[in-house]
Amino acid sequence: AQSVTQLGSHVSVSEGALVLLRCNYSSSVPPYLFWYVQYPNQGLQLLLKYTTGATLVKGINGFEAEFKKSETSFHLTKPSAHMSDAAEYFCAVISPSGGYNKLIFGAGTRLAVHP
Amino acid sequence: KAGVTQTPRYLIKTRGQQVTLSCSPISGHRSVSWYQQTPGQGLQFLFEYFSETQRNKGNFPGRFSGRQFSNSRSEMNVSTLELGDSALYLCASSQGLATSSYNEQFFGPGTRLTVL
Repeated sequence: AQSVTQLGSHVSVSEGALVLLRCNYSSSVPPYLFWYVQYPNQGLQLLLKYTTGATLVKGINGFEAEFKKSETSFHLTKPSAHMSDAAEYFCAVISPSGGYNKLIFGAGTRLAVHP
Repeated sequence: KAGVTQTPRYLIKTRGQQVTLSCSPISGHRSVSWYQQTPGQGLQFLFEYFSETQRNKGNFPGRFSGRQFSNSRSEMNVSTLELGDSALYLCASSQGLATSSYNEQFFGPGTRLTVL
């Protein structure tokens, strides 16, 4: 069965510091991978996705992620944190065998950004 | 283009009651998926509807059901509510044109259900 593990339920960084949110997946076949962001009292917004092709994926708001098959990882990074990045971030996977519209989510990482 | 809308945004019910939540997808989208979000279990897939047919389902009891109308609007119903059903229920729409490729999902703001 598909699963997604996000290391660290809470991450705190200073404004301007590097943001690194970790995601590992388990899959017997190459999955599709996603990062979503959720602001308080809102739904999920897609930050970026990896389906095929280039393993370094750039998303919105300056975020990027790299698919590393050998490490089964898809970590999210941003060079310089901004106060507005404070939110909860979810890594998710789709397994083609499970249905292309069935997202399997990690537990989430709450990012705090302090001045 | 209007986004995914969900109504109502907030609901309070008591144990044993039933509830119906509504989701209107983005115009032209034919697939609607439902997710439950709780602090303990996180985000879990409930089911997906495409062209009025359930195409995929998660691991939830039969108290959770859904349907989709010809205009692609979807409703989900929870009968005999339990305290553990308190959650944010999110729906997501996509074009859902093919079952053999990925279709980007767009999420609504959710309905927050509180069961007392």
